[in-house]
Amino acid sequence: GEDVEQSLFLSVREGDSSVINCTYTDSSSTYLYWYKQEPGAGLQLLTYIFSNMDMKQDQRLTVLLNKKDKHLSLRIADTQTGDSAIYFCAAGGGADGLTFGKGTHLIIQP
Amino acid sequence: EAGVAQSPRYKIIEKRQSVAFWCNPISGHATLYWYQQILGQGPKLLIQFQNNGVVDDSQLPKDRFSAERLKGVDSTLKIQPAKLEDSAVYLCASSVGDRGETQYFGPGTRLLVL
Repeated sequence: GEDVEQSLFLSVREGDSSVINCTYTDSSSTYLYWYKQEPGAGLQLLTYIFSNMDMKQDQRLTVLLNKKDKHLSLRIADTQTGDSAIYFCAAGGGADGLTFGKGTHLIIQP
Repeated sequence: EAGVAQSPRYKIIEKRQSVAFWCNPISGHATLYWYQQILGQGPKLLIQFQNNGVVDDSQLPKDRFSAERLKGVDSTLKIQPAKLEDSAVYLCASSVGDRGETQYFGPGTRLLVL
């Protein structure tokens, strides 16, 4: 089955860019997602990318997909304290259930 | 547009007791998912419904977990009897179900088994 891996922690200074990386194993995954989870809260969909795209930009968020290497990244420009959360990478095939990574804790230093 | 609703938000039970969770998906969403999120891990799919039929329950521990979506709208997930390792957040999500590219999650039910 699908396996999704991501690093557990990332620490950045406020105002810098954050880059969160993810790798997945199933090349047939149709959609790749980034979700944000704040303490005690549910999962908030940040953005997703279709597997035939290389890049997607949405305001401060940029998603890059390297399908050959099965590598996905999320760049957050001008990181703010409100961006502090756990970021989950997930892979899936359209209407299928998603396979999630363990999440990356984004820590913002003042 | 109302989001995915779940209740209760929190539940504390003793091991070997039974517990049930309820989910009401976004109106018009045909596909409903239940995920289990253990502390420090990502959510894991337990079961997926398309309308009132089960699409995937391969990761559901069927000896103690059951779920139903009788009228194709809201759903219940039951654990009977509960074990300590069932302590987790149970997340419900729904999607339109046609292409299903976006799953919307509810706030979750936090279960603690003592």
